[in-house]
Amino acid sequence: RKEVEQDPGPFNVPEGATVAFNCTYSNSASQSFFWYRQDCRKEPKLLMSVYSSGNEDGRFTAQLNRASQYISLLIRDSKLSDSATYLCVVNLYGGSQGNLIFGKGTKLSVKP
Amino acid sequence: NAGVTQTPKFQVLKTGQSMTLQCAQDMNHEYMSWYRQDPGMGLRLIHYSVGAGITDQGEVPNGYNVSRSTTEDFPLRLLSAAPSQTSVYFCASRETGVWETQYFGPGTRLLVL
Repeated sequence: RKEVEQDPGPFNVPEGATVAFNCTYSNSASQSFFWYRQDCRKEPKLLMSVYSSGNEDGRFTAQLNRASQYISLLIRDSKLSDSATYLCVVNLYGGSQGNLIFGKGTKLSVKP
Repeated sequence: NAGVTQTPKFQVLKTGQSMTLQCAQDMNHEYMSWYRQDPGMGLRLIHYSVGAGITDQGEVPNGYNVSRSTTEDFPLRLLSAAPSQTSVYFCASRETGVWETQYFGPGTRLLVL
């Protein structure tokens, strides 16, 4: 099983649509989870952390299912500006000095 | 604050040449790292450092060296460039254990002919 796995997409959706991305991780002891956003030819930037209880930031909702080793990102009311690649990121092996492991990313294209 | 800076932005090398990719941060972060990003492969960790004088290997360290003589700087050296090292290189820094403080530099695009 790959360490952090995402559907590569691309997801092509119309403006206003709701879209969901999924990610699975291999180590049940993983402690910290994040979604990053990467625009074309730019560096990745933190979008949001993912907490056990689930968390929301405006149109974005992140959820964690530890039993299934699965995290998700839901984007409601998609905007053209949401077009980007979304990276699932996990502190796979725990510890304060552990390294973040990146999924390969899911590409989203929002069309008018 | 400039955040994380990288130089150069672009570089073309011939096979066998050596070069150093520069990375600097002004946030007093202890942890710094280098990633490479290739199409279809995602970001892969090359080397990382948890503080000045301490470095360790990541997932794909072969062909690269690093050093960390100061908190601010973390250069990546290509010893003898190969076409397989054609990639986009990102440097990142964060406070140790505070994952939300991880910031990336703008990247260096390297082409090895």
